[in-house]
Amino acid sequence: QKEVEQNSGPLSVPEGAIASLNCTYSDRGSQSFFWYRQYSGKSPELIMFIYSNGDKEDGRFTAQLNKASQYVSLLIRDSQPSDSATYLCAEAGGGADGLTFGKGTHLIIQP
Amino acid sequence: DAGITQSPRHKVTETGTPVTLRCHQTENHRYMYWYRQDPGHGLRLIHYSYGVKDTDKGEVSDGYSVSRSKTEDFLLTLESATSSQTSVYFCAITPGLRYEQYFGPGTRLTVT
Repeated sequence: QKEVEQNSGPLSVPEGAIASLNCTYSDRGSQSFFWYRQYSGKSPELIMFIYSNGDKEDGRFTAQLNKASQYVSLLIRDSQPSDSATYLCAEAGGGADGLTFGKGTHLIIQP
Repeated sequence: DAGITQSPRHKVTETGTPVTLRCHQTENHRYMYWYRQDPGHGLRLIHYSYGVKDTDKGEVSDGYSVSRSKTEDFLLTLESATSSQTSVYFCAITPGLRYEQYFGPGTRLTVT
């Protein structure tokens, strides 16, 4: 059974600093990887996806993928209090048969 | 919210009663999914659909059935609700490009 592992946190980061969130996955056949942000009581919101080795940047967010190490990360630059949320890492095995999610990392940005 | 609605948004029901949750999408996507989210378990796939009348099981399908008679609607039924099915249920769609998924607002179900 495929697994996605994340540190549950909480991860506390000062405002304006870089928040670094990490994720490992078990299935070497996984093709695409996703980061979702979820505020308490709300649905997950897709913020980044990556499918090639290396970095992908979008505004303050950078996703990093290392398929050899089976490792995905999300960097949030200039962290804001509004970034405080749970971040979910997910993978797709190459088909449309659903995503496998990690349990999420709770991020707290301290003003 | 990717044009996805879920109904009801909140429901309290008693053990042993049948419950149907509805997911409705407005953008004609082929793929639709049902997940449940529980503390300590994260999001887990219950069932998914790849077209009208085409469905398949996910990781935690026991005790659940689904139906899709129209492209826009995907129904999740708990035949006889149990307390272990108390959860938040999310519907999702994928445009199918890289299998990224977009979620509906969720249904909070409490089984007493």
